[in-house]
Amino acid sequence: DGGITQSPKYLFRKEGQNVTLSCEQNLNHDAMYWYRQDPGQGLRLIYYSQIVNDFQKGDIAEGYSVSREKKESFPLTVTSAQKNPTAFYLCASSKASGLAAINEQFFGPGTRLTVL
Amino acid sequence: GIQVEQSPPDLILQEGANSTLRCNFSDSVNNLQWFHQNPWGQLINLFYIPSGTKQNGRLSATTVATERYSLLYISSSQTTDSGVYFCAADQNFVFGPGTRLSVLP
Repeated sequence: DGGITQSPKYLFRKEGQNVTLSCEQNLNHDAMYWYRQDPGQGLRLIYYSQIVNDFQKGDIAEGYSVSREKKESFPLTVTSAQKNPTAFYLCASSKASGLAAINEQFFGPGTRLTVL
Repeated sequence: GIQVEQSPPDLILQEGANSTLRCNFSDSVNNLQWFHQNPWGQLINLFYIPSGTKQNGRLSATTVATERYSLLYISSSQTTDSGVYFCAADQNFVFGPGTRLSVLP
């Protein structure tokens, strides 16, 4: 089945450690996105990528890094510089980011990160 | 950048009631989606609706792009409709703060 997978589902990290969240899609989508959601809040954009080997900062990129070496994969690294990393992280993809394109976005199941 | 607002922030309904959720956006958009976030956090696509009207079962949505708003209608609500409803607008999907819906049996 086509879809977006994220792993792990739950992740615990000690302060000062970097951690990488996985996001994979087999929808043949060009664009991929990472969002952060805090309890009771909406989604905030961390990074997005419209094409392989290219990505852009979103609204809250500080303390995070990404790579886009393959079309199917868009891993997110939460670095020790992120001051309050405990949150729910959601990955999404869409077919295209062009202004004239149908650009429906689909989400993975999310990763809950807790810093101990 | 574009601002997205949603109202009401919270809504409590009795099972079987109808409701209307509103999404306002501050600028013209070429993308507009409605999502339902279930209790496990999964975001479920409801409608991709940058303009016009669509219906899917008990749910329907209308976007009036020239007036910068979209409406989500839920008819004959069920307890499984509970959760948070988000709209997201614009090319890079700016999310509103959501409407938390609770449907009571």
